[in-house]
Amino acid sequence: NAGVTQTPKFRVLKTGQSMTLLCAQDMNHEYMYWYRQDPGMGLRLIHYSVGEGTTAKGEVPDGYNVSRLKKQNFLLGLESAAPSQTSVYFCASSRPGMDKEQYFGPGTRLTVT
Amino acid sequence: AQKVTQAQTEISVVEKEDVTLDCVYETRDTTYYLFWYKQPPSGELVFLIRRNSFDEQNEISGRYSWNFQKSTSSFNFTITASQVVDSAVYFCALSEIKAAGNKLTFGGGTRVLVKP
Repeated sequence: NAGVTQTPKFRVLKTGQSMTLLCAQDMNHEYMYWYRQDPGMGLRLIHYSVGEGTTAKGEVPDGYNVSRLKKQNFLLGLESAAPSQTSVYFCASSRPGMDKEQYFGPGTRLTVT
Repeated sequence: AQKVTQAQTEISVVEKEDVTLDCVYETRDTTYYLFWYKQPPSGELVFLIRRNSFDEQNEISGRYSWNFQKSTSSFNFTITASQVVDSAVYFCALSEIKAAGNKLTFGGGTRVLVKP
């Protein structure tokens, strides 16, 4: 099993450009998440999904959109990138239940110039 | 609102020394879980341990041990006889029963550097 994979691994955007980050998991998990990691701030939740066709906002959703058309995929979109969105983005998945650990992807390093 | 604080930003030790990572949390819930995750230089976070709010028994698993004290809202993590491979960033996280979707609140992380 590949677990959680993310595409691409690195990307450089210019201000105002758009892009989509793809996350895929092969563990049949119901829940999926997008986080951003910035120095000294830990991981902050952007959006999450509790099932196919459903999405919800997390702690820092502004400037991002998501879609979960298939259970195994969770897409994160930046419609008009800003330098403040320079970060490392992590996708994660889990089974339902507050005691369930999350499984993380390898991350995408995004730089917006 | 829930909050997780890891006051230590970086700890440097020599191999075979013990390392204790501090974690303090805030929550209004009586039912919750606490987690520790490890982020090695490769970048991918890896789950280490979890503890529920009703079980304050401290445990040891190999070189890892944890001390959960509800009275002080602390969930400290110790690596015994540290090794170079333990060099990583460690995150404490909180999951609450009222949080939809198993949402986790992370601390800011503690970077551990183990020198040979």
